[in-house]
Amino acid sequence: EVQLVQSGAEVKKPGESLKISCKGSGYSFTSYWIGWVRQMPGKGLEWMGIIYPGDSDTRYSPSFQGQVTISADKSISTAYLQWSSLKASDTAMYYCARTAMDDFDYWGQGTLVTVSS
Amino acid sequence: SSELTQDPAVSVALGQTVRITCQGDSLRSYYASWYQQKPGQAPVLVIYGKNNRPSGIPDRFSGSSSGNTASLTITGAQAEDEADYYCNSRDSSGNHLFGTGTKVTVL
Repeated sequence: EVQLVQSGAEVKKPGESLKISCKGSGYSFTSYWIGWVRQMPGKGLEWMGIIYPGDSDTRYSPSFQGQVTISADKSISTAYLQWSSLKASDTAMYYCARTAMDDFDYWGQGTLVTVSS
Repeated sequence: SSELTQDPAVSVALGQTVRITCQGDSLRSYYASWYQQKPGQAPVLVIYGKNNRPSGIPDRFSGSSSGNTASLTITGAQAEDEADYYCNSRDSSGNHLFGTGTKVTVL
């Protein structure tokens, strides 16, 4: 069974760093891309970027380039999304999802990130 | 333009048919995929490719495309179909983008 399991909810202060994770199982982790999607409170889905764990090829949405870093450790079938300095506007639910490049067929349960002083 | 535009909300009577549209230039080159999201849940893929349903998705969901418009049709809407629906496709750079989302209410 394909599963993407994300790390738990986080509460952080502005300026702090954060790295959330997405662990894949039940399939060949290095054969599919993993994408990250943001959903701000009460808002729609926003594509942030994707990574191919097989060779770490990474693509970013222009809206998120330079704001976050996407990485993966194929040895433990885990992808990451990280911030070096969080802002209140980073408060959102973040989803990871698997893709063969066109559609996202399996999704993680989401990680809620709250940034507040 | 690198945008996918959807109507914000539509309503449908129980058992009737509703069509949700997604407009964008990129749809002339790429198929749309469609996602259902219920409150407090992760999105679920319901249609991909030309008109394909993942395992477990009822056959009342179907997809189509013409020119710059992709459509998701629910034929015989059920109460459990009440949700937000998002289209997704690729832009001219090959990046993904999501539509603005449509809230479907089943009356």
